[in-house]
Amino acid sequence: DSGVTQTPKHLITATGQRVTLRCSPRSGDLSVYWYQQSLDQGLQFLIQYYNGEERAKGNILERFSAQQFPDLHSELNLSSLELGDSALYFCASSPTPSAGELFFGEGSRLTVL
Amino acid sequence: KNQVEQSPQSLIILEGKNCTLQCNYTVSPFSNLRWYKQDTGRGPVSLTIMTFSENTKSNGRYTATLDADTKQSSLHITASQLSDSASYICVVTVRSNDYKLSFGAGTTVTVRA
Repeated sequence: DSGVTQTPKHLITATGQRVTLRCSPRSGDLSVYWYQQSLDQGLQFLIQYYNGEERAKGNILERFSAQQFPDLHSELNLSSLELGDSALYFCASSPTPSAGELFFGEGSRLTVL
Repeated sequence: KNQVEQSPQSLIILEGKNCTLQCNYTVSPFSNLRWYKQDTGRGPVSLTIMTFSENTKSNGRYTATLDADTKQSSLHITASQLSDSASYICVVTVRSNDYKLSFGAGTTVTVRA
């Protein structure tokens, strides 16, 4: 158990809908990262937050947004969903932005029908 | 072009045999390199971290090597077990203000009885 909690574990929705994925980082970790992993693909970096502020942005679509709250949990919002958004979405945390090791959650599997 | 290239993309080995995975990177300046193991449908878990001054590091049956001059790393799995079946991901950290992480696409290892 990495200490990173993601909910929901599974989510099935229709095209055009909006969903919110939630992540609680390990206790004491200030930095949260979001990654997308499509079937048989590598991890694609979406966005990073550190202590409530956006730190780095990767290949995140404009239809996607995220935020980190004062209690350090983070949410990833996906809107106007398309079939191609079906993927595993991982959240990871680390104590600081410069910490090399990321602790990953078990992921949220999104299926868009 | 990805700054972290892994090879082979996949491999199949018999239980008890050894195998070696390769990671070549062009990331600069280099901070550290980590190998993660990702079981199917699970979040990645760190196996080893290599810093600039380290050549070899072991974690049980996993041994990582680093040649910072040629920017190459390898992960050697000894006496493979069925539980070693997973994707192995090489992640390089850039030594910069934002300590950007560069992910390889991973090598999928299948161990057969």
